[in-house]
Amino acid sequence: DAKTTQPTSMDCAEGRAANLPCNHSTISGNEYVYWYRQIHSQGPQYIIHGLKNNETNEMASLIITEDRKSSTLILPHATLRDTAVYYCIVRPGSNYKLTFGKGTLLTVNP
Amino acid sequence: NAGVTQTPKFQVLKTGQSMTLQCAQDMNHNSMYWYRQDPGMGLRLIYYSASEGTTDKGEVPNGYNVSRLNKREFSLRLESAAPSQTSVYFCASSEIRDSYGYTFGSGTRLTVV
Repeated sequence: DAKTTQPTSMDCAEGRAANLPCNHSTISGNEYVYWYRQIHSQGPQYIIHGLKNNETNEMASLIITEDRKSSTLILPHATLRDTAVYYCIVRPGSNYKLTFGKGTLLTVNP
Repeated sequence: NAGVTQTPKFQVLKTGQSMTLQCAQDMNHNSMYWYRQDPGMGLRLIYYSASEGTTDKGEVPNGYNVSRLNKREFSLRLESAAPSQTSVYFCASSEIRDSYGYTFGSGTRLTVV
């Protein structure tokens, strides 16, 4: 599976958009980009995933660059409850295993 | 729906004791997984079961055994617990071709003294 690079930590003001970057320069054509988050002491929670096109759901938006070497997870209006570790993961659609890195600790400040 | 249920939520073991962590899912998923998470670390895959009747080693299988009892249940056994196995253990399930990713349980916090 392709390796990802994320910043160790980020801060965001409550109510503002949080933009979390992820670099996956070695991504293959059949690999999807997945985002999960883990709120303190809880199990990870699926957020969103995509292959080539930008995706949006009720939680977030995923912007994937045209060359697919990087992506950005956008939380449009961050709240204090969005404080969590966010994991960016790439894997083939046919591969069911997820490999977690250390992720980005997003702290939303009042 | 309960999703993925793990028992127990907390456990303290003495070195050398054995125990089984239980996991059950009610989403009719084919695949199930066991991860461990140490402080400040990401999750590491211990074992997984792609489908009922199959199990495979993940990244850190040493010291553990698993049983896929049926489609719903996937247990993790520590035969002789060691302090290095102090961790939070998460069970997860998914479809083989999932659109919504994994569903995780709430975790079992294990301390080995």
